[in-house]
Amino acid sequence: GESVGLHLPTLSVQEGDNSIINCAYSNSASDYFIWYKQESGKGPQFIIDIRSNMDKRQGQRVTVLLNKTVKHLSLQIAATQPGDSAVYFCAVLPSNTGNQFYFGTGTSLTVIP
Amino acid sequence: EAQVTQNPRYLITVTGKKLTVTCSQNMNHEYMSWYRQDPGLGLRQIYYSMNVEVTDKGDVPEGYKVSRKEKRNFPLILESPSPNQTSLYFCASSSPFQETQYFGPGTRLLVL
Repeated sequence: GESVGLHLPTLSVQEGDNSIINCAYSNSASDYFIWYKQESGKGPQFIIDIRSNMDKRQGQRVTVLLNKTVKHLSLQIAATQPGDSAVYFCAVLPSNTGNQFYFGTGTSLTVIP
Repeated sequence: EAQVTQNPRYLITVTGKKLTVTCSQNMNHEYMSWYRQDPGLGLRQIYYSMNVEVTDKGDVPEGYKVSRKEKRNFPLILESPSPNQTSLYFCASSSPFQETQYFGPGTRLLVL
């Protein structure tokens, strides 16, 4: 199986600052990772993904870093905006558990104007 | 518009009364899945389907049934709901060549 954990259940940042949200996983066979954003009352929304053959991937204002040695990934949001306030969680897909994703419990990000 | 739809969005029922939550996607995805989301536990997979007539158990399948008779639909059936199935349920779909899952808006279920 897989165990996925997030380091902080809540995070508050000032508007314009950078945010970093962390996720740890346990299965060394995990080879695909996704970050989702979930706004209140809505379903999870894809933000960015990364495969295990990479250690960094950038999107628009977001960067995902993967450290396979310590089984850790992070989501960095640059110039955080009020619209970024949401719950963020990672999803991990091990290569040895069929097509079953494992999800972290989420970090609730609050952006202070 | 590409989307995953779920119905109903909110449901209150009583213990033992069979119910079905429908899920439909218009992206021609082979893979579909059901999750439940509970406070402090994150999303947990109930069942998933790799294609029509192919379904598999996830982490928490007890008390649930699914069927996949058509590619676009993947209903979740609770034959005899119990209060511990009170939760927020999400359906998701993806194509086999792109593992990113697209989620529906969720169904909030309360079993009294």
